[in-house]
Amino acid sequence: AQSVTQLGSHVSVSEGALVLLRCNYSSSVPPYLFWYVQYPNQGLQLLLKYTSAATLVKGINGFEAEFKKSETSFHLTKPSAHMSDAAEYFCAVSGPGKFYFGSGTKLNVKP
Amino acid sequence: DTEVTQTPKHLVMGMTNKKSLKCEQHMGHRAMYWYKQKAKKPPELMFVYSYEKLSINESVPSRFSPECPNSSLLNLHLHALQPEDSALYLCASSQGESGRPTRELFFGSGTQLSVL
Repeated sequence: AQSVTQLGSHVSVSEGALVLLRCNYSSSVPPYLFWYVQYPNQGLQLLLKYTSAATLVKGINGFEAEFKKSETSFHLTKPSAHMSDAAEYFCAVSGPGKFYFGSGTKLNVKP
Repeated sequence: DTEVTQTPKHLVMGMTNKKSLKCEQHMGHRAMYWYKQKAKKPPELMFVYSYEKLSINESVPSRFSPECPNSSLLNLHLHALQPEDSALYLCASSQGESGRPTRELFFGSGTQLSVL
């Protein structure tokens, strides 16, 4: 069975600082992994995805994530936070016909 | 066109009303989904249609009735809802490769539903 765990329901960083959002997965087979972002009262937008190709995945808005099989992790990073990055971020793993979402991490960016 | 379009964006209904949520995509996707999302929580899967057939029902109460008229359209019919059903209802679609992990979900912007 697949699942993901997001460590930290709230993360606060200063504008210009490194963003690190943590996600660990549990999967009995090589997983497809995703990060989605959600702004208030909107749907989820795909940031990036890992589908068994390169382990370092680059996404939109300067975000990237590294798939580490040995650590069963898929952490999301951005070198320099911008005020517009403030949102809810969800890690997800997919199985046949289903997505399994983590509990979400709310990112706050301080000026 | 990579959009999933949901209407209406907002809906207020009484507990005796009947209403419908609509979702449309023109990406040629063969799998469509309904999710329910409460505030500060992740989306919860309700229904999955694969090739226009209901493939997953996550034990959703019968007051929610999905319908997939064709491969581009997905409806959610609502009847006799409760105040606790107030939530953001999200539609999503994917390519729908049978038996394989889903490669990507494309989400609509959702319908914010309030049940009075």
